[in-house]
Amino acid sequence: DTGVSQNPRHKITKRGQNVTFRCDPISEHNRLYWYRQTLGQGPEFLTYFQNEAQLEKSRLLSDRFSAERPKGSFSTLEIQRTEQGDSAMYLCASSNSDYGYTFGSGTRLTVV
Amino acid sequence: QKEVEQDPGPLSVPEGAIVSLNCTYSNSAFQYFMWYRQYSRKGPELLMYTYSSGNKEDGRFTAQVDKSSKYISLFIRDSQPSDSATYLCAMSARRGSSNTGKLIFGQGTTLQVKP
Repeated sequence: DTGVSQNPRHKITKRGQNVTFRCDPISEHNRLYWYRQTLGQGPEFLTYFQNEAQLEKSRLLSDRFSAERPKGSFSTLEIQRTEQGDSAMYLCASSNSDYGYTFGSGTRLTVV
Repeated sequence: QKEVEQDPGPLSVPEGAIVSLNCTYSNSAFQYFMWYRQYSRKGPELLMYTYSSGNKEDGRFTAQVDKSSKYISLFIRDSQPSDSATYLCAMSARRGSSNTGKLIFGQGTTLQVKP
């Protein structure tokens, strides 16, 4: 287990389609985060899981967004009815301490 | 006003120079301060971590936190072309029953070190 794995690395989709991303955290990490990063900006918090419980959601996470972490292992982030404004890098991170996170390489979404 | 402010640059320096990167913040509840390095099309990589005020050194990197001024810095000595990347500061409030540990990031500063 060498780090946080995200799939796919790139996704191009047509506006209105649904997309789902997957994150496999470091196995012993109980905390999992999703962030979104647009060009020239820092990552913005979307949602947080402690084990399987989703404990916080940003107001950035509209009704079209849903995230799950069944059994406290991998996590999925789904975007329904994608819009061009959803184009961004979606980053997953995991942690088991206060000493920062380990990020994955992200999934780059392009909505055309 | 953003909670965390960071000059986006770009910052261009010659190889061997000392680089100073800075962030200011407004939320006095922040207790955990981090610097991440991000290469193009990659996820952020944790460089330095500091709890509360003070200095921390790791090789060519030194992180400083001045909570009284709400100001943090990252210094890179003997900069190398491989240091060329975007540097992101990030902060988190003190832990507690309602604190999820989410990070608030600055915009990132793009650094180019020229050979």
